[in-house]
Amino acid sequence: EAQVTQNPRYLITVTGKKLTVTCSQNMNHEYMSWYRQDPGLGLRQIYYSMNVEVTDKGDVPEGYKVSRKEKRNFPLILESPSPNQTSLYFCASSLSTRGQIRNSPLHFGNGTRLTVT
Amino acid sequence: AQSVTQPDIHITVSEGASLELRCNYSYGATPYLFWYVQSPGQGLQLLLKYFSGDTLVQGIKGFEAEFKRSQSSFNLRKPSVHWSDAAEYFCAVGGDQTGANNLFFGTGTRLTVIP
Repeated sequence: EAQVTQNPRYLITVTGKKLTVTCSQNMNHEYMSWYRQDPGLGLRQIYYSMNVEVTDKGDVPEGYKVSRKEKRNFPLILESPSPNQTSLYFCASSLSTRGQIRNSPLHFGNGTRLTVT
Repeated sequence: AQSVTQPDIHITVSEGASLELRCNYSYGATPYLFWYVQSPGQGLQLLLKYFSGDTLVQGIKGFEAEFKRSQSSFNLRKPSVHWSDAAEYFCAVGGDQTGANNLFFGTGTRLTVIP
């Protein structure tokens, strides 16, 4: 089944303890992205990747890191989490970056709810 | 600057009634417009999209949306709402100016359906 898989689904941690949220897609998609969802703010893009070894900042990159060493994986790293990073995080992917957007909608994972105390 | 406004935070409708969710966008070039639905505990699912051509687009689950360039709007409609439509709905805009896959989302509209 074609899907975007995030792990874990729920995570409670303490301030300053490094964590990684994994994202994997099995559709051979070039493009991957991370969003955070907060009440009243909708979804805001954190980082995105057009292809392997290519990553760029989104609208709210502060406090986050990503890597794209393989096409299928796009982990989100919080080196020193803080309470303001408590949020619902979504990973998304799509087949192509340009020219095929009509046939390349974003596929979303089911989300990771992170609480930082 | 790119932005999406969904002026209604929460809408309640009766089952069988018609529905319209409002979306206004700001984008410096030709926009690509999307509506996504998020059911509780789930990721976002694409309902429909507009790129060009016919300004009335049909989507899944009986939804449609109309692009009105003069009003910078892309409102979502459904003639008869079902209880299973209760969810949160997000409008999004993207395009070649920002990289087609980089979408800007609205703040969402939560839909409650009463029997």
